[in-house]
Amino acid sequence: NAGVTQTPKFQVLKTGQSMTLQCAQDMNHNSMYWYRQDPGMGLRLIYYSASEGTTDKGEVPNGYNVSRLNKREFSLRLESAAPSQTSVYFCASRAVGARAKNIQYFGAGTRLSVL
Amino acid sequence: AQKITQTQPGMFVQEKEAVTLDCTYDTSDQSYGLFWYKQPSSGEMIFLIYQGSYDEQNATEGRYSLNFQKARKSANLVISASQLGDSAMYFCAMREGWGNTPLVFGKGTRLSVIA
Repeated sequence: NAGVTQTPKFQVLKTGQSMTLQCAQDMNHNSMYWYRQDPGMGLRLIYYSASEGTTDKGEVPNGYNVSRLNKREFSLRLESAAPSQTSVYFCASRAVGARAKNIQYFGAGTRLSVL
Repeated sequence: AQKITQTQPGMFVQEKEAVTLDCTYDTSDQSYGLFWYKQPSSGEMIFLIYQGSYDEQNATEGRYSLNFQKARKSANLVISASQLGDSAMYFCAMREGWGNTPLVFGKGTRLSVIA
């Protein structure tokens, strides 16, 4: 039962470097999400994708881009990393419908440090 | 204004005792859902319990129950018979409306269970 898989688990970048965080889910969910978690801030939504081919900005989208590659995969790209992007990044997916209760299931997270 | 408020940054509870974690929410929607997630020190986000705004009975899942008071806009999590493994961060979250609207999270409460 893989669920939501995120890679990598840890990453250290230098300011200005770029990288892509990968996320894949095997639950046939339509909706996928990217959050960041900072100390004392809870989880804040960066971008989400309601379905394949659509993406929308969340609360904190600046400095990020996303791609919904197919139904399974939703990637998050940092084009020019900044120290303020040091955080833990979570990907989540959700089934939609009354029986599913719209519960979001999370990956294990990616811990990113930007020096 | 914050959509989700968790007023207890940290709490302690004796093993085998019950504990209540507070959550208040703010929405003008009639249809919404309330969620609780657990985040242990390992970092993953674990779904615990869900309450829909139209649910007439309080949700229960094993040792977890949700004390839903709609008029007060509160959705407190009750953990009965606390165990050492319950030590973790707990997040309350809300989905407004239906469909693909993302979750909004509170800042969390750190629960420590003492032997």
